[in-house]
Amino acid sequence: EAQVTQNPRYLITVTGKKLTVTCSQNMNHEYMSWYRQDPGLGLRQIYYSMNVEVTDKGDVPEGYKVSRKEKRNFPLILESPSPNQTSLYFCASSLYRGRDSPLHFGNGTRLTVT
Amino acid sequence: AQSVTQPDIHITVSEGASLELRCNYSYGATPYLFWYVQSPGQGLQLLLKYFSGDTLVQGIKGFEAEFKRSQSSFNLRKPSVHWSDAAEYFCAVALYNNNDMRFGAGTRLTVKP
Repeated sequence: EAQVTQNPRYLITVTGKKLTVTCSQNMNHEYMSWYRQDPGLGLRQIYYSMNVEVTDKGDVPEGYKVSRKEKRNFPLILESPSPNQTSLYFCASSLYRGRDSPLHFGNGTRLTVT
Repeated sequence: AQSVTQPDIHITVSEGASLELRCNYSYGATPYLFWYVQSPGQGLQLLLKYFSGDTLVQGIKGFEAEFKRSQSSFNLRKPSVHWSDAAEYFCAVALYNNNDMRFGAGTRLTVKP
């Protein structure tokens, strides 16, 4: 089944403890992206990747890192999480970056930083 | 500034009633337009999209949307709502490619029995 898989689904951590949220897609998509969803703000893009070893900042990249060493994986790294990073995170992928290439979303990771 | 506006944060309709969710955008050119639905605990699923051509587009689950250039709007409609339609709905626009896609704040739909 074609899908985008994020892990974990829920994560509670403390300020400053490094964490990684994994994202994997099995559709051979070139384009992958991370979003955070906050009430009243919709989805905002954190980082995106157009292909292996090609990543760039989105609208809200501060406090996050990403890597794209393999085409299928695009982990989101929080090196020193803070409470303002408590949010619902979504990974998405598409065949290519063009706006006519539909985005496929994972089921989300709810992160709480205390 | 470029923006996507969903004026209604929360809408409640009775099952079987009609539904219209509003979306307005502010861009210099006509972007590609999308509606996504997010069911509880799920990711976003594409309902429909408009690129060009016929301004009334049909989507999945019985939804349709109409693009009105003069009003910079792309409102989502359904003639008869089902309880399973309760979810959050997001309007999105993309001007050039997926990394400039912008989402509205979302409209949460509650369906009364």
